[in-house]
Amino acid sequence: DQQVKQNSPSLSVQEGRISILNCDYTNSMFDYFLWYKKYPAEGPTFLISISSIKDKNEDGRFTVFLNKSAKHLSLHIVPSQPGDSAVYFCAARSGSARQLTFGSGTQLTVLP
Amino acid sequence: DAGITQSPRHKVTETGTPVTLRCHQTENHRYMYWYRQDPGHGLRLIHYSYGVKDTDKGEVSDGYSVSRSKTEDFLLTLESATSSQTSVYFCAISESVRDRVSGANVLTFGAGSRLTVL
Repeated sequence: DQQVKQNSPSLSVQEGRISILNCDYTNSMFDYFLWYKKYPAEGPTFLISISSIKDKNEDGRFTVFLNKSAKHLSLHIVPSQPGDSAVYFCAARSGSARQLTFGSGTQLTVLP
Repeated sequence: DAGITQSPRHKVTETGTPVTLRCHQTENHRYMYWYRQDPGHGLRLIHYSYGVKDTDKGEVSDGYSVSRSKTEDFLLTLESATSSQTSVYFCAISESVRDRVSGANVLTFGAGSRLTVL
């Protein structure tokens, strides 16, 4: 039973437009949410996080929104650049848990 | 990769043979993790360690064992490899459960080890 779900395996957007990646979760005990980016043949790298007490966190071109009532979060990338083409993983942690639970990932392709 | 080295980076082996993957860190971080990445499943936790000789199972631990005799090394062993264990394996480290700045549990990953079991 996947507690963190990314229902879109892939997404294509034009350079300069907004990319919106979505993530749903089922465990109401999750208190932190993270996004990781992964290029081929490399390990995932941390991108941005948000605490469950917030509904938005921004870092440059990247903004994460959290809707607790809907158990939904999204990552917005504005403007999208070809270098943003990668697999994006959503992850979550609950309380004192020592590990992260990851979604299945979304392949973002930014077209020049 | 922030002081994390995985070895070997690529390995092809046959069903039934033992395989050991090594993760070495130079960050002196307390927590170390082994994940596997498979299409459609994302990253799934195999085992993790919260200190020397302290380990615990993740969601897909069957068929795997781990050992951590030193802070810097975390070994993942497949006692008898099967084709279903063909995957890309990632080691990750974390200084603490809560990151000092963000409060989140930020993991830093190695570059991965691609294992093919024929």
